[in-house]
Amino acid sequence: ETGVTQTPRHLVMGMTNKKSLKCEQHLGHNAMYWYKQSAKKPLELMFVYSLEERVENNSVPSRFSPECPNSSHLFLHLHTLQPEDSALYLCASSQGFFGPQHFGDGTRLSIL
Amino acid sequence: QKEVEQNSGPLSVPEGAIASLNCTYSDRGSQSFFWYRQYSGKSPELIMSIYSNGDKEDGRFTAQLNKASQYVSLLIRDSQPSDSATYLCAVSSIIGGGADGLTFGKGTHLIIQP
Repeated sequence: ETGVTQTPRHLVMGMTNKKSLKCEQHLGHNAMYWYKQSAKKPLELMFVYSLEERVENNSVPSRFSPECPNSSHLFLHLHTLQPEDSALYLCASSQGFFGPQHFGDGTRLSIL
Repeated sequence: QKEVEQNSGPLSVPEGAIASLNCTYSDRGSQSFFWYRQYSGKSPELIMSIYSNGDKEDGRFTAQLNKASQYVSLLIRDSQPSDSATYLCAVSSIIGGGADGLTFGKGTHLIIQP
């Protein structure tokens, strides 16, 4: 596998469910990111991790909980989501903070 | 609030012509600038990066940066129908704890007419 891999590609869940999104990067990068992309809105940075330590959470609601067990893996744990949380969730990685970020294919999340 | 502004378009350009995409940003401290291409339903794909004033060319793409004017542009020469996509301008900023993050514009929808 190469690049940044996200699973699942699609997820439909109820508002009371708990699920997790997974991201894995095979680029040897030391920083990983979660973004949210809603229709007709710019990409929104949610979380930044550097060397497994969270640097910025950007005022994201607590129903989103990130986890970074090592520099290659990143999770986004979801619970009690709202319909407005339906969006494309993108993971990215970079080498250093000023380098270009490489994106995974994203998880399309739909909240019923 | 750091902002990145782009004209949302659509920008319609005849095949073979030059497409010109523009972006302005608010954070004077920004040091890294990127252009991403995003096809409908797909994730953003990095196509150009630029870090210093002037022009940077890569194949049919040229990125231009003017830090004094806080302006970044992307030129696509010999436009092809496959260039039809949304082009996202992204600017790096210090967001806290010494960390950097990208602030994205809303993107410009480019249509290349055969």
